[in-house]
Amino acid sequence: DIQMTQSPSSLSASVGDRVTITCQASQDISNYLNWYQQKPGKAPKLLIYDASNLETGVPSRFSGSGSGTDFTFTISSLQPEDIATYYCQQYDNPYTFGQGTKLEIK
Amino acid sequence: QITLKESGPTLVKPTQTLTLTCTFSGFSLSTSGVGVGWIRQPPGKALEWLALIYWNDDKRYSPSLKSRLTITKDTSKNQVVLTMTNMDPVDTATYYCAHSQLYEAIFDYWGQGTLVTVSS
Repeated sequence: DIQMTQSPSSLSASVGDRVTITCQASQDISNYLNWYQQKPGKAPKLLIYDASNLETGVPSRFSGSGSGTDFTFTISSLQPEDIATYYCQQYDNPYTFGQGTKLEIK
Repeated sequence: QITLKESGPTLVKPTQTLTLTCTFSGFSLSTSGVGVGWIRQPPGKALEWLALIYWNDDKRYSPSLKSRLTITKDTSKNQVVLTMTNMDPVDTATYYCAHSQLYEAIFDYWGQGTLVTVSS
């Protein structure tokens, strides 16, 4: 199975900061990577698919990049409503999620 | 507008079989490329993919749970059913169903989730 190593596991940042989360796959997954946002008590929400494509309706401050084994998720200017846990997910069967990054406001 | 909703027991005993139903609207599981998957999340822990069924009855399972899982669809009822045998307290989790398309596990719509507790 493909393992996804996501880091950091938690992150504290100030409003307006640029925030970066990384995800590393244990083998080449091309661009088969998604990013989700999950707020407490809610279902995950798809933000980025195919590593870098922004889902319809998602603010442009969210972006993704990478291919192969190394991927990056960025929030260009952190907003208070971005407080959540973020997950990467690879979809080269069988599918796996990263361990999540809990983002808090400093 | 795509919606999904999970239903099933909130409490099951160890060794019992769990049956969860995902009832959806706004799409058809007979449409090429469409799939419905199940993902779970133990309290305070990460997401874990369980199973996915596509419009053409292609079924995918998590290797670590494959022997315990069965996923089926009823296109006429707009439902997908997941069964998990031999439940254990470690299976306590919120179980989500989610829509995918383009014959890929890109989960773009999710149900609200249902908490299943395994306890005697």
